Amino acid sequence: EVQLVESGGGLVQPGGSLRLSCAASGFTVSSNYMSWVRQAPGKGLEWVSIIYSGGSTYYTDSVKGRFTISRDNSKNTVYLQMNSLRAEDTAVYYCARVGWSGSHFNGMDVWGQGTTVTVSS
Amino acid sequence: DIQMTQSPSTLSASVGDRVTITCRASQSISSWLAWYQQKIGKAPKLLIYKASSLESGVPSRFSGGGSGTEFTLTISSLQPDDFATYYCQQYNSYPWTFGQGTKLEIK
Repeated sequence: EVQLVESGGGLVQPGGSLRLSCAASGFTVSSNYMSWVRQAPGKGLEWVSIIYSGGSTYYTDSVKGRFTISRDNSKNTVYLQMNSLRAEDTAVYYCARVGWSGSHFNGMDVWGQGTTVTVSS
Repeated sequence: DIQMTQSPSTLSASVGDRVTITCRASQSISSWLAWYQQKIGKAPKLLIYKASSLESGVPSRFSGGGSGTEFTLTISSLQPDDFATYYCQQYNSYPWTFGQGTKLEIK
């Protein structure tokens, strides 16, 4: 079964760090495009970052320089290292696989259940 | 950044109704648009990609259309399971952006 399971969320003080993990099963993360999307309490969806199968990465402006997406192929896991956290980073963070046709993206077709990050003193 | 604007923000409808949600992009995104359904406390679910391609396993009552800057999601005959929040998302250029969401409520 194709599945994503996030972990690593929690309560952290402003300025602190957290590393989120997204463990995949049923497919190989290194052969796919993987993304993080977040949702602040009561708000809409916000795309955060993507890592290509080739290793290229992209970020939304508000997290550039603070967040880093990476993967461990041996663990079939994608990570989101979050530093210098702010109150506005409080959200449920979802990991998602980005469908790829061979020439273009096909939307985010597999999602995890989400992990909650709360930034507060 | 490309801004995505959905209308309406809230839609009240009855089982069996045909409903349409509109999504407008601030600049052309060709057909690089996806639609998602989200229920409370759950992860989003992909419905439509490339503006009009139906994701595998999604009922055929869902359809998408449009290109350039104006797009639609249509549900031909609402079922009880369809009451949820719907989001459009562009993936033409980074940063990818979502619409603000349309909440579909039971009338």
